[in-house]
Amino acid sequence: GNSVTQMEGPVTLSEEAFLTINCTYTATGYPSLFWYVQYPGEGLQLLLKATKADDKGSNKGFEATYRKETTSFHLEKGSVQVSDSAVYFCALSDLILTGGGNKLTFGTGTQLKVEL
Amino acid sequence: EAEVAQSPRYKITEKSQAVAFWCDPISGHATLYWYRQILGQGPELLVQFQDESVVDDSQLPKDRFSAERLKGVDSTLKIQPAELGDSAMYLCASSLEREANVLTFGAGSRLTVL
Repeated sequence: GNSVTQMEGPVTLSEEAFLTINCTYTATGYPSLFWYVQYPGEGLQLLLKATKADDKGSNKGFEATYRKETTSFHLEKGSVQVSDSAVYFCALSDLILTGGGNKLTFGTGTQLKVEL
Repeated sequence: EAEVAQSPRYKITEKSQAVAFWCDPISGHATLYWYRQILGQGPELLVQFQDESVVDDSQLPKDRFSAERLKGVDSTLKIQPAELGDSAMYLCASSLEREANVLTFGAGSRLTVL
């Protein structure tokens, strides 16, 4: 079945540091890939997505490239801010064969803490 | 900006009691999802509706969990009887089209079973 593996956290960085959160996946077919972010006390929000190999998703200074050859979708940001402190989830979406729709499979999440 | 509404935000109950969660998706969103997020883990799909029909409930523990979306709009997830292992965040999400892969999540309902 489909699965997503993320690096374990927490990841603690100083403000303006470079961020990488690793994500690899296992899937049959050609899934879409996502990064969702969850701020304390809130639901998940879509951060960025990529729907096919070599696509780069980007938003709010974050970016990730869909690498089919390494089955990876690593999240990067050049300069993090305290406000980026949250839990980041990598996910893949695949079609539900019976009944239609999409099923999201999430990783376990990586907590990011950014300090001044 | 349109939101997915969920209630209650927090629920504390004793084991063997019944509990219910309500979700109102974004207006016009035909597809509705219930996810369970255990502390320290990623969300797992419990059930997916397309309008009022269930399209995937393969991970729903049907001996104690039930979900309905009678008029194809809002939805209720029920647990009876609750067990200690049911303590988790229950997330509702919706999407505009059947094949859409962008979900909008609600803030969630946090359940604690004592």
